[in-house]
Amino acid sequence: NAGVTQTPKFRVLKTGQSMTLLCAQDMNHEYMYWYRQDPGMGLRLIHYSVGEGTTAKGEVPDGYNVSRLKKQNFLLGLESAAPSQTSVYFCASSSRQADTEAFFGQGTRLTVV
Amino acid sequence: QKEVEQDPGPLSVPEGAIVSLNCTYSNSAFQYFMWYRQYSRKGPELLMYTYSSGNKEDGRFTAQVDKSSKYISLFIRDSQPSDSATYLCAMMSRPRGSTLGRLYFGRGTQLTVWP
Repeated sequence: NAGVTQTPKFRVLKTGQSMTLLCAQDMNHEYMYWYRQDPGMGLRLIHYSVGEGTTAKGEVPDGYNVSRLKKQNFLLGLESAAPSQTSVYFCASSSRQADTEAFFGQGTRLTVV
Repeated sequence: QKEVEQDPGPLSVPEGAIVSLNCTYSNSAFQYFMWYRQYSRKGPELLMYTYSSGNKEDGRFTAQVDKSSKYISLFIRDSQPSDSATYLCAMMSRPRGSTLGRLYFGRGTQLTVWP
């Protein structure tokens, strides 16, 4: 039982490059989320989705785009990476019936130089 | 002011000590209160969940919520080195008409339990 899987685990980008982070969950959860975690800032919500084909902005959405074409996948895109986007990114999912429990992936460590 | 305030520590205690972790919050609409545990270089995982005010006990862990003071606590009894991790409080409100609750996290408190 894999739970929530994030790809890749590590990445170094140059300023201005683009990339996509992939999140896959096998728990049939309706809700999916992307967070970033920075020292001293805690977890901040970037975007979230309440179902296939729907996405919404969270607390810090600027510079990111997302898509949820399939229920089990949630993609986070950086169109033009900036050093301020250096962070650890976590994907999470939860069921509609129990959204107080979010299941997190192992994280993606992104460095933008 | 952040919606959820949590002292980041670090907190270092000897094995067997009682640990107290705390968060305060400003939004009186929060109804659900959680504690997540995050080991180094891992994703957070849910440790305890409480609805509204009161206490909840699970083994060595006790969660307390005082809504009148907007204050929540996590107590760890007989702490073990395996408890060394970052503990994040989280809170949720469920806006009227919305099916999705929004989680607000504290910054996390780093705990080290030494043998």
